[in-house]
Amino acid sequence: DVKVTQSSRYLVKRTGEKVFLECVQDMDHENMFWYRQDPGLGLRLIYFSYDVKMKEKGDIPEGYSVSREKKERFSLILESASTNQTSMYLCASSVWGTRSYNEQFFGPGTRLTVL
Amino acid sequence: DQQVKQNSPSLSVQEGRISILNCDYTNSMFDYFLWYKKYPAEGPTFLISISSIKDKNEDGRFTVFLNKSAKHLSLHIVPSQPGDSAVYFCAASPSNEKLTFGTGTRLTIIP
Repeated sequence: DVKVTQSSRYLVKRTGEKVFLECVQDMDHENMFWYRQDPGLGLRLIYFSYDVKMKEKGDIPEGYSVSREKKERFSLILESASTNQTSMYLCASSVWGTRSYNEQFFGPGTRLTVL
Repeated sequence: DQQVKQNSPSLSVQEGRISILNCDYTNSMFDYFLWYKKYPAEGPTFLISISSIKDKNEDGRFTVFLNKSAKHLSLHIVPSQPGDSAVYFCAASPSNEKLTFGTGTRLTIIP
């Protein structure tokens, strides 16, 4: 079974803090993704990565950055957290190169609250 | 610009009856469509998918229908069970790695 784990289930941070959200997958997937889920807005893609040290902006990258130093690990960084970044953050991974790449496997999510 | 829309935020269905969840899209480049199910405090899990070369795909109690001319897809669950109560997201892809998700529909199955 694919397993995607996220470092924290719940996180509370203060405005202006630097925040790291970590995601690890154990199935040697090439693709990794970061989404945020907000009521009425569904899942929105922040950043994704096809390979180590490679990153692509998603639909809402502003205020975020990412790091992928190892294939299994994809980090989301909030350089200076703001209250409008309070959200549920979901990490996902998928296999590259076949039609099944569309099937993304998700972690349990991190609920981040910025005060 | 919401390219994938789920116009019903919620739906309640009696146990044993059919649940029909709808999804509309605007991008004609989308050629692969998926449904995900999400329970509270868990990540979404893949449910069923369909390629644009098909108009129907069935997996047990779940069937997805695709109407390309109307840019509409639907998920049918028959018969509905209490464990089907969850939020359902449709998603679409234009032949690359990215998925665009809808806003979700909360399905409640009434015992």
